[in-house]
Amino acid sequence: NAGVTQTPKFRVLKTGQSMTLLCAQDMNHEYMYWYRQDPGMGLRLIHYSVGEGTTAKGEVPDGYNVSRLKKQNFLLGLESAAPSQTSVYFCASSYGRIGNQPQHFGDGTRLSIL
Amino acid sequence: AQTVTQSQPEMSVQEAETVTLSCTYDTSESDYYLFWYKQPPSRQMILVIRQEAYKQQNATENRFSVNFQKAAKSFSLKISDSQLGDAAMYFCAYRSAGGNEKLTFGTGTRLTIIP
Repeated sequence: NAGVTQTPKFRVLKTGQSMTLLCAQDMNHEYMYWYRQDPGMGLRLIHYSVGEGTTAKGEVPDGYNVSRLKKQNFLLGLESAAPSQTSVYFCASSYGRIGNQPQHFGDGTRLSIL
Repeated sequence: AQTVTQSQPEMSVQEAETVTLSCTYDTSESDYYLFWYKQPPSRQMILVIRQEAYKQQNATENRFSVNFQKAAKSFSLKISDSQLGDAAMYFCAYRSAGGNEKLTFGTGTRLTIIP
């Protein structure tokens, strides 16, 4: 049972490049989330999904897009990377709403934009 | 908007001793959830304990317990019999019981365990 798997674990991009971060969970969870963590700060919610085919904006959605075409996968896209998007990105999933059900986190993706 | 404040950037404790990490929050809501997460050097966030605001009884999970003071908007974490594996960043977090899925985090407290 792998839990929540993030791909890739590290990536360096140049300003203006695009890329997609993949999050996969094998726990049949309905809810999935993308967060970013910047130095000296806690996690901030970028986007989330409450089920296959649904997405919703979080606290800091600008510059990111997401898709949930399959229940087990939640993709985070950067269409035109900017240095301000340098961060560690975490994916999480849960059976239900946070608080009612525990969140399971991936190991994070360290992304650097030059 | 809700805010979560952790006023202790760093704490240290001797192994086997007890340590308390502080957290205060600001909200106008009456129904919400509070959490403590642990982030070890491996980076993965791990839920330590959660508290539902409508419950007066403080949550306990083995060596971890909270002191929830709703009127004072305070939510401290007590770690008893500290172990080397407890060394990590600890984040306090808040979520409204209604509305969206936003989880508001504090800035974290780095806990060091002294052997």
